[in-house]
Amino acid sequence: AQRVTQPEKLLSVFKGAPVELKCNYSYSGSPELFWYVQYSRQRLQLLLRHISRESIKGFTADLNKGETSFHLKKPFAQEEDSAMYYCALGPGDTDKLIFGTGTRLQVFP
Amino acid sequence: KAGVTQTPRYLIKTRGQQVTLSCSPISGHRSVSWYQQTPGQGLQFLFEYFSETQRNKGNFPGRFSGRQFSNSRSEMNVSTLELGDSALYLCASSTRTGGGSPLHFGNGTRLTVT
Repeated sequence: AQRVTQPEKLLSVFKGAPVELKCNYSYSGSPELFWYVQYSRQRLQLLLRHISRESIKGFTADLNKGETSFHLKKPFAQEEDSAMYYCALGPGDTDKLIFGTGTRLQVFP
Repeated sequence: KAGVTQTPRYLIKTRGQQVTLSCSPISGHRSVSWYQQTPGQGLQFLFEYFSETQRNKGNFPGRFSGRQFSNSRSEMNVSTLELGDSALYLCASSTRTGGGSPLHFGNGTRLTVT
């Protein structure tokens, strides 16, 4: 069965520190992977998708099929990065987007 | 373009009642998906509609139902409300069906069941 695992509920770092939000997935086929972000009092929005291979707000994510991971990284965290981050997998065999349980990132000044 | 609009923003209902939530997708988007968001479970997929047809359904009881109209607007209905139905219900629209394209989310409807 398709599954997305985000092992950390909360990740706290200081401003300027590197950030890595972990995401592991289970799917035997070719996945479509996404990172969504929800800032305080804002709607959930797409941050990036693996096929774009682009950097958004300094964040990057590389698909590692061998380790079935799609970790989100940023070399220098900013306070405005504080938000809830969700990893999502689709469509696979289920034809739907499945979300992980999310990781709350707190960046302290 | 206007974003995804969900109404109402807040609802308070009592157990046993029923509720209808509304979602207007981005213009031109024909796919509408519904998710239930809770602190413990994260986002749980409810169902997806495309061109007025339910294309996919999550693991929720039959009390949860939905429909889509010819203008792509969608409604979700929950009958015989239970306390555990208290959650933020999110609607998302997309250009394509099937979960492979980015979703555009609304602000959600927060349902409280007392």
